[in-house]
Amino acid sequence: DGGITQSPKYLFRKEGQNVTLSCEQNLNHDAMYWYRQDPGQGLRLIYYSQIVNDFQKGDIAEGYSVSREKKESFPLTVTSAQKNPTAFYLCASSQGQGFYNEQFFGPGTRLTVL
Amino acid sequence: KNQVEQSPQSLIILEGKNCTLQCNYTVSPFSNLRWYKQDTGRGPVSLTIMTFSENTKSNGRYTATLDADTKQSSLHITASQLSDSASYICVVSAGPGKTGANNLFFGTGTRLTVIP
Repeated sequence: DGGITQSPKYLFRKEGQNVTLSCEQNLNHDAMYWYRQDPGQGLRLIYYSQIVNDFQKGDIAEGYSVSREKKESFPLTVTSAQKNPTAFYLCASSQGQGFYNEQFFGPGTRLTVL
Repeated sequence: KNQVEQSPQSLIILEGKNCTLQCNYTVSPFSNLRWYKQDTGRGPVSLTIMTFSENTKSNGRYTATLDADTKQSSLHITASQLSDSASYICVVSAGPGKTGANNLFFGTGTRLTVIP
């Protein structure tokens, strides 16, 4: 069963804690992306990776970090430096390295800061 | 400034009725336009993708149109079903820029509710 999986589905964090969101894909896609979705706003790009061991900051990278050690995995760490982390986080992947290639999304992780 | 605007923000229709969602964009140069359906608490799922040369594309009861001259797109839903209740997001991709540039622009979505 091919696709993108994200875990956990729901995540609760206390202020000052770092948390890591998992994203795995078995589509053999080169590129992977992390987006943040807030009510009333379009998706905003946090980080993206177009090839293993390389990643680039998106529009709202402050307070987040990523790694891309394996083609199929692109975990996102929300650090204590992110002042407003409560949001719905979406991971996506695409076959090619350009943003004009179709992106396939995971089911999302809802992060709530207590 | 590259932007994607969708209207209406929300829409309520009766089951079985048709509806049309709008997307206007100022993204340039244009590469393609996609419509996604996003159920509450889930990731977006692609409905259609259209390039510059395509005017219409259908996916079952969903039909998307594109007017590249006026930079407008619409998504028409025929004979709506309760399962059509979701947010519909218009996404426009700009033409290839420098390698790695973020050329994808998202609308804020239209929230459709279909009632019995």
